Amino acid sequence: DTEVTQTPKHLVMGMTNKKSLKCEQHMGHRAMYWYKQKAKKPPELMFVYSYEKLSINESVPSRFSPECPNSSLLNLHLHALQPEDSALYLCASSQEGQGAGGYTFGSGTRLTVV
Amino acid sequence: QKEVEQNSGPLSVPEGAIASLNCTYSDRGSQSFFWYRQYSGKSPELIMSIYSNGDKEDGRFTAQLNKASQYVSLLIRDSQPSDSATYLCAVKDTNAGKSTFGDGTTLTVKP
Repeated sequence: DTEVTQTPKHLVMGMTNKKSLKCEQHMGHRAMYWYKQKAKKPPELMFVYSYEKLSINESVPSRFSPECPNSSLLNLHLHALQPEDSALYLCASSQEGQGAGGYTFGSGTRLTVV
Repeated sequence: QKEVEQNSGPLSVPEGAIASLNCTYSDRGSQSFFWYRQYSGKSPELIMSIYSNGDKEDGRFTAQLNKASQYVSLLIRDSQPSDSATYLCAVKDTNAGKSTFGDGTTLTVKP
């Protein structure tokens, strides 16, 4: 299995809603990432999990809450989002360590906040 | 100065030509270098990885790395319309545990 699976593919939520994005990989990768991408911009790092522990939080607002239940799963819990949070949310995974490979990205969740 | 800079686009080449995409980076501690291709509305896809100075070829793609000049490039030979996409250069510092992306170069291959 060489895929990263993200669900849902599309999500529309109100500013008072709570929702979760899910990501799953079975490649044995021990690093997992959440990225946010706006149109015509590069992916912007949000969080990094290394061996199931949060290793990087790029000063993301607390309305985004990551969770890594096990080595294959990564969640992003959303609460009280703003319209400017509308974007493509990408999950990625990679090997760890020296010479580790690049990222395998999921297909993303296109989020619209209304 | 941005950490990772790519040549400004968009870049347009005729079908069958060589497309040349360039990237410079500022962190001399960077150890791993990647090129991703992103079609419009899709997620990025890893197409090339390079870790040591020199050239690395994979089919029609050649990645070139020069750590002394802090420069990495991607050549696409015999460009096809299906190569039309945005190409993202990414540089990884293993110690930092993350990759930094350039802004991307949009390539259009005209039939």
